[in-house]
Amino acid sequence: QQPVQSPQAVILREGEDAVINCSSSKALYSVHWYRQKHGEAPVFLMILLKGGEQKGHEKISASFNEKKQQSSLYLTASQLSYSGTYFCGTEESGNNRLAFGKGNQVVVIP
Amino acid sequence: DADVTQTPRNRITKTGKRIMLECSQTKGHDRMYWYRQDPGLGLRLIYYSFDVKDINKGEISDGYSVSRQAQAKFSLSLESAIPNQTALYFCATSDSDRASEQYFGPGTRLTVT
Repeated sequence: QQPVQSPQAVILREGEDAVINCSSSKALYSVHWYRQKHGEAPVFLMILLKGGEQKGHEKISASFNEKKQQSSLYLTASQLSYSGTYFCGTEESGNNRLAFGKGNQVVVIP
Repeated sequence: DADVTQTPRNRITKTGKRIMLECSQTKGHDRMYWYRQDPGLGLRLIYYSFDVKDINKGEISDGYSVSRQAQAKFSLSLESAIPNQTALYFCATSDSDRASEQYFGPGTRLTVT
């Protein structure tokens, strides 16, 4: 089942912070985050697993609330390079495949 | 050289034609995936394969078929293309470890007229 991402779009100035969210109605084993720039392929950012384990870039901050089946990605001190569409992919327990949300469009302006 | 390659990168075809999209990877991964991306809809899984003998339907497999010719190659076919199959198609691969990141190819932009 496709997770729900919010907000749909965010515009922020360089140096500002933002939080983007991903929620599912299903029990989740893991949440993946990817960023896609216009005309390019999605690029991996982070995986958050049930139980608290995380894999990914040290400079990216995210959380996973297992009780609520929600994940948040924190864009701190945003840079122009943070612009793009962020997709979360959710893996339900045991099915080994991802369902992606519709994306959060992030625009960072000077 | 790119780890995941897709051919062709762009294709325009007519309704009713058969078309094959190809994906190759040099990462040595067992798992391969085909996704479709439409504006505003995100990525939707068409088919996935966890090894050469294991192929599974995704959420939108109708109208598509796949072939896993080798560990490194995974092809997507549209037997009789229709205009609503116009989309950006991505191939991806991942390791077999639990919760492994997926590596995406550059995409194939397909237009069905």
